[in-house]
Amino acid sequence: DTEVTQTPKHLVMGMTNKKSLKCEQHMGHRAMYWYKQKAKKPPELMFVYSYEKLSINESVPSRFSPECPNSSLLNLHLHALQPEDSALYLCASSPAGAGGYEQYFGPGTRLTVT
Amino acid sequence: KQEVTQIPAALSVPEGENLVLNCSFTDSAIYNLQWFRQDPGKGLTSLLLIQSSQREQTSGRLNASLDKSSGRSTLYIAASQPGDSATYLCAVGLLGGGADGLTFGKGTHLIIQP
Repeated sequence: DTEVTQTPKHLVMGMTNKKSLKCEQHMGHRAMYWYKQKAKKPPELMFVYSYEKLSINESVPSRFSPECPNSSLLNLHLHALQPEDSALYLCASSPAGAGGYEQYFGPGTRLTVT
Repeated sequence: KQEVTQIPAALSVPEGENLVLNCSFTDSAIYNLQWFRQDPGKGLTSLLLIQSSQREQTSGRLNASLDKSSGRSTLYIAASQPGDSATYLCAVGLLGGGADGLTFGKGTHLIIQP
């Protein structure tokens, strides 16, 4: 099974809402990633969990909060988002986070903030 | 800061032609380079992964090369088909420190005319 799954596929939320995105993989990978992709732009790294240790892209605002309950699951908690946060949110995993490994991407969650 | 550039930004060719997509990066201290395909509104599909110690990888009609010292990679597509129409993204994994995510180029939007 080389699949990374993401739920929901689409999400519309208001600026005062709290919501969560979910990502799951069953490949035994020890590193998981969140990327944000705006329309017609390349994906940009937000967070990395590698062996349950979190690394953060310092440009990501605190209204995004990642959580890694176990090595197969990765959540992204959203709170007080802005319309400019509307984007495709991609989750990926790799066997380890130390580089040199192929990253496998999920289908993404299309987020619209109204 | 690593910068990844892809040329051309867009390409339209008749079916059956062989074509080359180019990728360049500014920092040669990379773990690997990965080529992806992205269909509109969808996630990323990994096409080829080249480790920093390798010069090329092949999968079916695709061949990717890597010249780390000059900071260049090419993706060669043989006998193009309409189903190859998509955006092709090049991404590098950077050696050392911080989050071990990928840095992407802006992509080449490819259209294969039937």
